[in-house]
Amino acid sequence: EADIYQTPRYLVIGTGKKITLECSQTMGHDKMYWYQQDPGMELHLIHYSYGVNSTEKGDLSSESTVSRIRTEHFPLTLESARPSHTSQYLCASSEAGTGGGKNTDTQYFGPGTRLTVL
Amino acid sequence: KNQVEQSPQSLIILEGKNCTLQCNYTVSPFSNLRWYKQDTGRGPVSLTIMTFSENTKSNGRYTATLDADTKQSSLHITASQLSDSASYICVVSDRGSTLGRLYFGRGTQLTVWP
Repeated sequence: EADIYQTPRYLVIGTGKKITLECSQTMGHDKMYWYQQDPGMELHLIHYSYGVNSTEKGDLSSESTVSRIRTEHFPLTLESARPSHTSQYLCASSEAGTGGGKNTDTQYFGPGTRLTVL
Repeated sequence: KNQVEQSPQSLIILEGKNCTLQCNYTVSPFSNLRWYKQDTGRGPVSLTIMTFSENTKSNGRYTATLDADTKQSSLHITASQLSDSASYICVVSDRGSTLGRLYFGRGTQLTVWP
């Protein structure tokens, strides 16, 4: 069982609200990720971090922002939520890669936050 | 274009039966392929990981195969149980960067009936 936590698990809010989705891991992993997943669709990477003070945008354009002030914490913020942001948000973490262009590190996922914007 | 295609999209089997899920990919250069299990309302959990030189890997009742030449993988589940009901996601990693970009399939939704 992976030690990675997300809160809240479910969130229903109105349009225009600012929200922060929390993600914490106790495994000491350097790499952390945020994915967006719609029903029946593949996961899309929206943000990732190699370590403290390192954040990058992923493949899917997102209006959200992230921060990495502590190794264990990687929150995602939406300044003004819209109905198009309704989705499942999954946080993951992994150990640092072995380098040389090879990536065999397994990502451990949190339980996800189901966001609904009305 | 790097893609991961899974089939079937959904599958219903009876408890105790075997089943095989398919994954075809076009990701290049190839680093490794993973199968994840995602229960409803939960995050994915890794089942197996295979690199280029590995043809078969087992994890209990789950056996994954990889044919790197044809770029195909399968996940075979034997003696299915009700708890096997979940989405099974094929994930392929390239080695084009230190990040090792992951390409996700849409998953096969497996339902096991008693």
